[in-house]
Amino acid sequence: DAGVIQSPRHEVTEMGQEVTLRCKPISGHDYLFWYRQTMMRGLELLIYFNNNVPIDDSGMPEDRFSAKMPNASFSTLKIQPSEPRDSAVYFCASSLGSGTDTQYFGPGTRLTVL
Amino acid sequence: QKEVEQNSGPLSVPEGAIASLNCTYSDRGSQSFFWYRQYSGKSPELIMSIYSNGDKEDGRFTAQLNKASQYVSLLIRDSQPSDSATYLCAVNIYSGGTSYGKLTFGQGTILTVHP
Repeated sequence: DAGVIQSPRHEVTEMGQEVTLRCKPISGHDYLFWYRQTMMRGLELLIYFNNNVPIDDSGMPEDRFSAKMPNASFSTLKIQPSEPRDSAVYFCASSLGSGTDTQYFGPGTRLTVL
Repeated sequence: QKEVEQNSGPLSVPEGAIASLNCTYSDRGSQSFFWYRQYSGKSPELIMSIYSNGDKEDGRFTAQLNKASQYVSLLIRDSQPSDSATYLCAVNIYSGGTSYGKLTFGQGTILTVHP
């Protein structure tokens, strides 16, 4: 399997612009997770899906962030409007089961908001 | 109190020594524990998982779990410069007997192995 695929790998945008990050989980995995990593806050869970349904979005920082999973092989994380404090590395991960199963991480998207 | 706590380090050990990384967690009901390694600029990758009290060995790595004391540790024997990375402890936090199906990560410990 190709592993978790994320695009783009790098994104530079200006404050106020819309940003869309994409993720393709490992085929057959039921769970998909979106994380954000910064030096200050470490690795934070933003939202996760089970069988395409959002289960817990309590980590989403504010209404500017939204995530969707229209089918088992694709998810998006959208930030609108973006702000400089959103600059971070965003990781997507997938797993076969719940928190008892290994999560496999994608390569991440490094987002810079100017 | 943070749900998962690690000493951020940096922890510096000489090549060939044993590196000891520690992690404490807040939820006594947690059942699943993971150690991930993250090289600079890369994504986290799993190196060990442990679910029962005691030790679990995999090559040069040993994970140790003590649920009564709520800590989990990772020992790296015969440390190599290639082990230099950030090590993340992750715990499946339970609450009220229900698994949230998610992991909570510690801040990570930076390990440097010098030749």
